[in-house]
Amino acid sequence: DTAVSQTPKYLVTQMGNDKSIKCEQNLGHDTMYWYKQDSKKFLKIMFSYNNKELIINETVPNRFSPKSPDKAHLNLHINSLELGDSAVYFCASSQGLAGGLYEQYFGPGTRLTVT
Amino acid sequence: GNSVTQMEGPVTLSEEAFLTINCTYTATGYPSLFWYVQYPGEGLQLLLKATKADDKGSNKGFEATYRKETTSFHLEKGSVQVSDSAVYFCALIKNTGNQFYFGTGTSLTVIP
Repeated sequence: DTAVSQTPKYLVTQMGNDKSIKCEQNLGHDTMYWYKQDSKKFLKIMFSYNNKELIINETVPNRFSPKSPDKAHLNLHINSLELGDSAVYFCASSQGLAGGLYEQYFGPGTRLTVT
Repeated sequence: GNSVTQMEGPVTLSEEAFLTINCTYTATGYPSLFWYVQYPGEGLQLLLKATKADDKGSNKGFEATYRKETTSFHLEKGSVQVSDSAVYFCALIKNTGNQFYFGTGTSLTVIP
């Protein structure tokens, strides 16, 4: 059984389009995250939700909007896609907020290519 | 601020060679330290962790010791295998927060 799943796995789209990436976890966790990994493998947090409430919102363009319909889902919607948005986006989840006590479980990633 | 610095890659080793990947950190307070591994085409998996100074994390033959005096958490393995080929990420998280700070990753290729 997949613990953290993302769809789609690959996404190729043109500049200016709007797209969404979905994430679901079946671990019963109450905290979920979105990370962006650039072409040099650098991984940076974008957002974090706890019990459907936004708790981390790093400096990302407001074209990126996370949505958490329930604790098991955290979707990422991107408006007006740009070439620089091309990256691999990882969803993750953890049991709670207590720092290093809880492991984060990562999804397999969504490779977004903007042409 | 909080940050993690890893040695630059890529690293190429022969099978059964000794591996060290250096990691140093900067953090306020007392962070927990982690090593994550990313196999080709997959997401990150936790490899090992240490939550306080002098703790040693170990898993699958890999080890890392939390050294507060040198602010380091170097990853070591005595004898690497081809299946260890992956990208390795050092990371920290403050014990009062839930945001990870990742290093830039070190790509390891093990050749037979």
